[in-house]
Amino acid sequence: KQEVTQIPAALSVPEGENLVLNCSFTDSAIYNLQWFRQDPGKGLTSLLLIQSSQREQTSGRLNASLDKSSGRSTLYIAASQPGDSATYLCAASTSYGKLTFGQGTILTVHP
Amino acid sequence: DAMVIQNPRYQVTQFGKPVTLSCSQTLNHNVMYWYQQKSSQAPKLLFHYYDKDFNNEADTPDNFQSRRPNTSFCFLDIRSPGLGDAAMYLCATSRVFQGIAEAFFGQGTRLTVV
Repeated sequence: KQEVTQIPAALSVPEGENLVLNCSFTDSAIYNLQWFRQDPGKGLTSLLLIQSSQREQTSGRLNASLDKSSGRSTLYIAASQPGDSATYLCAASTSYGKLTFGQGTILTVHP
Repeated sequence: DAMVIQNPRYQVTQFGKPVTLSCSQTLNHNVMYWYQQKSSQAPKLLFHYYDKDFNNEADTPDNFQSRRPNTSFCFLDIRSPGLGDAAMYLCATSRVFQGIAEAFFGQGTRLTVV
């Protein structure tokens, strides 16, 4: 059974700092690794999808990497802003796009 | 804009009174999912539809059912809600092709059981 773990559980940084969120998964037989953002009381917004054959994906200030062999993914956020404050979830995808989520990292960026 | 829409955003129901949550999509995706997210926990898959084929997760309680009358709509029925069923219910869709599937989520329905 796939298990996904995210470290740290919470992170507070000053505006402008670069930061890294970590995600690990136990079963390397994944199809994709997807990163989401969740604002309080809201649904999930997809940030980046990394296919199992890929090593990384970039979108604006976000960069996600994937190392299937070690069961790890990282989300790098450059030049953080207060608007980046949210919960970040990673999810490993198996057959039929079913997702197993980590518990999330609660990010606070203070001015 | 193409999207996943959940109604209502907030639902209050009485203990034991059946309730239905709805989800619609304009993405024409072949797979639709329902996830349950309890407070401060990770979303947990309840079931999914691959086209018309229903697939239940092994640990989804019998209290939860789903219907997908057509490609665009999917419903979550909770037959006898208990206090432990209070949660955010998230609908998602994806187009599964050659194993690749990017999931798109709705805004969720927050269910309160009183």
